[in-house]
Amino acid sequence: SQTIHQWPATLVQPVGSPLSLECTVEGTSNPNLYWYRQAAGRGLQLLFYSVGIGQISSEVPQNLSASRPQDRQFILSSKKLLLSDSGFYLCAWSAVGAAVGGEQFFGPGTRLTVL
Amino acid sequence: AQSVAQPEDQVNVAEGNPLTVKCTYSVSGNPYLFWYVQYPNRGLQFLLKYITGDNLVKGSYGFEAEFNKSQTSFHLKKPSALVSDSALYFCAVSSRAAAGNKLTFGGGTRVLVKP
Repeated sequence: SQTIHQWPATLVQPVGSPLSLECTVEGTSNPNLYWYRQAAGRGLQLLFYSVGIGQISSEVPQNLSASRPQDRQFILSSKKLLLSDSGFYLCAWSAVGAAVGGEQFFGPGTRLTVL
Repeated sequence: AQSVAQPEDQVNVAEGNPLTVKCTYSVSGNPYLFWYVQYPNRGLQFLLKYITGDNLVKGSYGFEAEFNKSQTSFHLKKPSALVSDSALYFCAVSSRAAAGNKLTFGGGTRVLVKP
C-alpha cells in the first residue's frame, strides 16, 4: 500500500531564517506531487505541483520554492521566511496511471509558525 | 477555470439526524468531483469521488454524495450522523483538462454533531 510522509510535524522559525520541508511517498512510482498551504484551518491554496523529476509548476508567486530531486521526494523551501509564511503545509500525491479523475492523497501536514 | 462553492461555513446537526453538506461547482467539460474530511491538525482524508456512471456515490464511513448535473451540485450526505463525524469537510473539482490532476477546493464546511 502507499504511504506519504512529511516532516517535521511542527516547526517554529524566526523571520528571515531558511526553510526546508520534506515529503516522501512510498509504494508507488512516478506520482504527481503537490504542496498546499492551509491558513487558519480553512481553505487550501495550491502552491506547487510536479508531474515528474525536476518538473515544478508554481501556482502563485511567493516567497517559496519547490524541488523534486527524486521520483518520490518533494521539498518545499524558502531562503528567508516571512511572517505571512505561517500556516499548515500539506503534501499530496496522485497516481499518474489513474490520471482520469485521480484522487489526491494527503500527508499528515507540517505546522509552521514564523515569529 | 474551475471553481467550487460550499455555501455554509458551519452545519450543526444532532446525533442520529441526517447530515447534508452542500457543494456546487463550475468546470469546463465533464467534472470529476471529490469529498474530503479533515480532523484537527491532520491531513485530508479521501471520502468519495464521482467520475462517471451512477449519480449516487457511496464512500467511506457511511457517507454518500449525489451528483446533479443540471444543478451543478455534489452534496454530501449521511443518513445518521455521529458525534465523531464532527470535522471540516472539503468538496473539490477537477476535469480531464486539468493539468497534473489539479484539484480546486471549496472553502470548507465545519460540521458539528451534538450528542
